[in-house]
Amino acid sequence: GAVVSQHPSWVICKSGTSVKIECRSLDFQATTMFWYRQFPKQSLMLMATSNEGSKATYEQGVEKDKFLINHASLTLSTLTVTSAHPEDSSFYICSAMKAGGPISYNEQFFGPGTRLTVL
Amino acid sequence: KQEVTQIPAALSVPEGENLVLNCSFTDSAIYNLQWFRQDPGKGLTSLLLIQSSQREQTSGRLNASLDKSSGRSTLYIAASQPGDSATYLCAVRGGGANSKLTFGKGITLSVRP
Repeated sequence: GAVVSQHPSWVICKSGTSVKIECRSLDFQATTMFWYRQFPKQSLMLMATSNEGSKATYEQGVEKDKFLINHASLTLSTLTVTSAHPEDSSFYICSAMKAGGPISYNEQFFGPGTRLTVL
Repeated sequence: KQEVTQIPAALSVPEGENLVLNCSFTDSAIYNLQWFRQDPGKGLTSLLLIQSSQREQTSGRLNASLDKSSGRSTLYIAASQPGDSATYLCAVRGGGANSKLTFGKGITLSVRP
């Protein structure tokens, strides 16, 4: 199969602290990983696209200094929410695309999500 | 800008009913379309992927069709079961260097025993 894991599955933190979320592709290599944010009863909003070994591409309106993304290997990407505030509370989902082949033909596989609550 | 619409937002049916979930998109220049299932508080599970050159894909009781020219896709669920209760999301992938998935808001399905 194509399994993507996320850790932690949920986290509660105080305002002003930083939180790191890990995304791993367990049984395949992923040259491209995506980070999404989902609000209740809303669709997934793409935050950024990360390619292994290069800087992430952020979507318009997403603060790159606040949401730090590192894609250091073909199986691991991390999202760090810096100086978290209550409005950053959300469900964060990562996705990985298998390496090889035209990007447009590759299927995306999603992680189980991380629920972040900032007090 | 691609927009994906799924109507209605919620649907409740009795067990055993065959049902169709609709998805429409504004830009027909897509590379593929995916249907996902999301359970409450969980991530997404890919159900079916249809390439732009294909008309339909089938997996078990699920059948997804694609009419690219009219900007429509349907997900057909046969003999629905309570375990099918979830939110079903449709997403389309554009082309070129900016190949991203654009999601609809989903249809929350409830199958009553």
